[in-house]
Amino acid sequence: NAGVTQTPKFQVLKTGQSMTLQCAQDMNHEYMSWYRQDPGMGLRLIHYSVGAGITDQGEVPNGYNVSRSTTEDFPLRLLSAAPSQTSVYFCASRGTEKGYTFGSGTRLTVV
Amino acid sequence: AQRVTQPEKLLSVFKGAPVELKCNYSYSGSPELFWYVQYSRQRLQLLLRHISRESIKGFTADLNKGETSFHLKKPFAQEEDSAMYYCALLAYNQGGKLIFGQGTELSVKP
Repeated sequence: NAGVTQTPKFQVLKTGQSMTLQCAQDMNHEYMSWYRQDPGMGLRLIHYSVGAGITDQGEVPNGYNVSRSTTEDFPLRLLSAAPSQTSVYFCASRGTEKGYTFGSGTRLTVV
Repeated sequence: AQRVTQPEKLLSVFKGAPVELKCNYSYSGSPELFWYVQYSRQRLQLLLRHISRESIKGFTADLNKGETSFHLKKPFAQEEDSAMYYCALLAYNQGGKLIFGQGTELSVKP
């Protein structure tokens, strides 16, 4: 039982490049979310999903896309990276026990 | 609107001193609240949830619906408690989203 796995752990992108941050969980959780963490701003919700095939926008969705084709996977796509997207990204999932489990994060730098 | 407020960005105490990290919330309905802890550059870990009324690592938190607060307390701080602490609210009426406060950095000095 690996919990929530995020890849990569670190990434440097050039402005305008696209990439996908991967998130997978093996706990059969229905709810999954993506957050970004920035100094002084806490964690802000980007997108979330309440089950396979269902996604919705969070607080800061612009510049990001998500899909949920399976229960296990919830990738986050950056369409055209901008320096403002430099951040630490966390994926999280929640089961019936209600508390969210977090991945170890992806530290993204856009230059 | 659903909101979680942690008024202190940084709290600095000496080892052995009592600690209280403040959290206030705004939620229309019956709230479900959590405290998460993040040690240096690591993942967030669940510390407490209000429904379980547990004491983890000496920390406790009581939900006060009248004051809409969920403050985190510890009677005697330890150096290993130094970390970032986040209060969070589970918004069932918004698809089960977890809404975070801005976080409080706790620094325990020897």
